[in-house]
Amino acid sequence: QVQLQESGPGQLKPSEALSLICTVSGGSISSYSWSWIRQPPGKGLEWIGYITYSGSTNYNPSLKSRVTISVDTSKNQFSLKLSSVTAADTAVYYCARKQTRNWFDPWGQGTLVTVSS
Amino acid sequence: SYVLTQPPSVSVAPGQTARITCGGNNIGSKSVHWYQQKPGQAPVLVVYDDSDRPSGIPERFSGSNSGNTATLTISRVEAGDEADYYCQVWDISSDHPVVFGGGTKLTVL
Repeated sequence: QVQLQESGPGQLKPSEALSLICTVSGGSISSYSWSWIRQPPGKGLEWIGYITYSGSTNYNPSLKSRVTISVDTSKNQFSLKLSSVTAADTAVYYCARKQTRNWFDPWGQGTLVTVSS
Repeated sequence: SYVLTQPPSVSVAPGQTARITCGGNNIGSKSVHWYQQKPGQAPVLVVYDDSDRPSGIPERFSGSNSGNTATLTISRVEAGDEADYYCQVWDISSDHPVVFGGGTKLTVL
């Protein structure tokens, strides 16, 4: 059974770069697409972007200028980088596997990232 | 970009049937997926491709999709079903292909 686990700093200052890693266990990262989704406190889900096992990416246009998603098949990990964060980027960040027919399952447990001076 | 509209809240008594709607322009032409999110937990897929259930999801959860409305139906509601529910579609024609609804809080009275 595939499991996902996010890791990375929980506190950032405005203008810093957010960097998170999602480690995939119980299965290979190859042959699937992998996504990042976030949820501001008390709000709904916002799709950030996804990467295919071959490295193709698709990002939310509202974040595209600041987002990079990459994959490391040797470590069975994929990562998220978000530059120049502000308080509006405070959220729980989830990684998830994107299925071929475009639903997300499973999800990681999520990691809270707080941006504050 | 494509917009999905959900009611902010739905309330139902235990044992009754809850219906959570997800509205979108001609949503019947798209595949709709539903997630359940309990407080402090990650979302869990409960219905995919309009009406299919992942393994481990009770038969009480079902879905339908036609016209401009998709519906998640939870039969014989239990206290443990209290959660936020999100619909999601893939908008192939958009540069923002992954779209989530705003979420519906299901309260079990």
